[in-house]
Amino acid sequence: GENVEQHPSTLSVQEGDSAVIKCTYSDSASNYFPWYKQELGKRPQLIIDIRSNVGEKKDQRIAVTLNKTAKHFSLHITETQPEDSAVYFCAASRGAAGNKLTFGGGTRVLVKP
Amino acid sequence: DVKVTQSSRYLVKRTGEKVFLECVQDMDHENMFWYRQDPGLGLRLIYFSYDVKMKEKGDIPEGYSVSREKKERFSLILESASTNQTSMYLCASSFGGPYGYTFGSGTRLTIV
Repeated sequence: GENVEQHPSTLSVQEGDSAVIKCTYSDSASNYFPWYKQELGKRPQLIIDIRSNVGEKKDQRIAVTLNKTAKHFSLHITETQPEDSAVYFCAASRGAAGNKLTFGGGTRVLVKP
Repeated sequence: DVKVTQSSRYLVKRTGEKVFLECVQDMDHENMFWYRQDPGLGLRLIYFSYDVKMKEKGDIPEGYSVSREKKERFSLILESASTNQTSMYLCASSFGGPYGYTFGSGTRLTIV
């Protein structure tokens, strides 16, 4: 089955700096890669996703890049703000009906004001 | 506008008890999932269901079972609770496959 590894496990950045989280996956048939954000005491929520026919996707201050050959994808947050402090999870899936997400171990991001 | 509801936020049970965790969604989603969340291990899939009365094992099904008698409800059962099942349990649902999971608020289960 799919295995997703996520690094780093914790990340501390100064407000205004950029944050990068990296994930690798094992199943070459995976073609859907979402990112979830979980604020303290709250449920995970989808913030951005990318499919394998796209190399990069942006949404305001967040972007995701995908390298299918190397089987890794990354989340980039620019101009970090205190409200970006949360745990971020990457995930991978084959993307068809009947399939499920396999999550990475999570990255705790702390943005220091 | 809560769409996935887990019956308990916190639960304390004794070793050996049979424990039921309930999850209800009101979005008419086909797929429902049970994950457990542990620090450093992320979210690990226990069981999922893509239709009523259908179930599939996830990555860590040992010690658990599930029931889906109605489309909107997916129950996780700990047959004989053990201390290593102390964890945060998250239910999720989706319309089709892995796209756009909606998670419940989670149940923090402690087995003593």
